[in-house]
Amino acid sequence: IAGITQAPTSQILAAGRRMTLRCTQDMRHNAMYWYRQDLGLGLRLIHYSNTAGTTGKGEVPDGYSVSRANTDDFPLTLASAVPSQTSVYFCASSPGQGSGANVLTFGAGSRLTVL
Amino acid sequence: GQNIDQPTEMTATEGAIVQINCTYQTSGFNGLFWYQQHAGEAPTFLSYNVLDGLEEKGRFSSFLSRSKGYSYLLLKELQMKDSASYLCAVTDSNYQLIWGAGTKLIIKP
Repeated sequence: IAGITQAPTSQILAAGRRMTLRCTQDMRHNAMYWYRQDLGLGLRLIHYSNTAGTTGKGEVPDGYSVSRANTDDFPLTLASAVPSQTSVYFCASSPGQGSGANVLTFGAGSRLTVL
Repeated sequence: GQNIDQPTEMTATEGAIVQINCTYQTSGFNGLFWYQQHAGEAPTFLSYNVLDGLEEKGRFSSFLSRSKGYSYLLLKELQMKDSASYLCAVTDSNYQLIWGAGTKLIIKP
């Protein structure tokens, strides 16, 4: 089934630990995104990639890093997790940037709790 | 700053009609999206408006007025499965998506 796969589905993590959230898409989309969703707030963009080999910072990039070695994979790394990073993380992709009609396809989300 | 406003929560009755409003203030405009998100699931695309007017898609319609910075999502013949959050998002002049916090719609029998 075409779409986006995220792993893990949920994770409880001790503060200070390193964590990588995985994201893989099989739609050959150029652009990929990482969002966090917190109660009462809109989706907030962490990092994005317009095409393989390039990445950019979103609205809330501090404490997170990404890489885009190929078209399909876009992992998100928390170098040293803190409790404020407790959230639901969504990976998304779209055919490309620079177009208004750029519909996003989302993964099922990764629920992360940092204690 | 950039801002998207929509009501936090709405309640409606099965079989009825509900209108969810969204107002926006963004640096430029390149389109407005509505997404549906069921509890514990990912957002899924519902509609896209870039020109003024009404776009109809089955039981769902979306309206846009660019001069007023206003959109609404109209849901007709409500079904229990329509209970979800509805997210309004605007593409700004840099083609970045700005998201509202979402409207939680509760459908009662």
